[in-house]
Amino acid sequence: DTGVSQNPRHKITKRGQNVTFRCDPISEHNRLYWYRQTLGQGPEFLTYFQNEAQLEKSRLLSDRFSAERPKGSFSTLEIQRTEQGDSAMYLCASSSVLAKNIQYFGAGTRLSVL
Amino acid sequence: AQTVTQSQPEMSVQEAETVTLSCTYDTSESNYYLFWYKQPPSRQMILVIRQEAYKQQNATENRFSVNFQKAAKSFSLKISDSQLGDTAMYFCAATGANSKLTFGKGITLSVRP
Repeated sequence: DTGVSQNPRHKITKRGQNVTFRCDPISEHNRLYWYRQTLGQGPEFLTYFQNEAQLEKSRLLSDRFSAERPKGSFSTLEIQRTEQGDSAMYLCASSSVLAKNIQYFGAGTRLSVL
Repeated sequence: AQTVTQSQPEMSVQEAETVTLSCTYDTSESNYYLFWYKQPPSRQMILVIRQEAYKQQNATENRFSVNFQKAAKSFSLKISDSQLGDTAMYFCAATGANSKLTFGKGITLSVRP
């Protein structure tokens, strides 16, 4: 068990560019979550998957954001036409019923939009 | 849906002393869970302690314990024998049937040597 892995750790991009982040959950976990955390604030829920099905999306997730989890394994979060307001830490977490639904977090991807 | 409020932005404690971090919450669900997560500087968030709302007994994990007051919707974290490694941001969080976590704004705890 290597924990939740997120790549890249840091991403710097210019406004208007597209970016994609990857999350590899703990292998036996069937639930995967994405959160966004801005400086000095608590994480805010974006979306979550149970296996490959995306079950809920926050209103924070505008049309420029899309997330996928093909085959119920890793997940990707894509942001199109990035804006400066997208600058934040993007956190991924995974959980399973067998692990009491406790969410285990990755180290996050820090996005800076210039 | 849940809301979580942490009104203290920061606290400081002397090493080896005890500190209590406050949290209040609100929820419309009858079955929910409460958590304290710790986020050290530039490091990932880790679970400190978990409380199931239907359990009256307060959860305890080594030096960490909670005071869960269900009627008052209060969920405070007590850290005994504070250590320098406890310096971090602490987040109170709640989840219900939909399993997504709702976090408070967090509190920055500094442990002084």
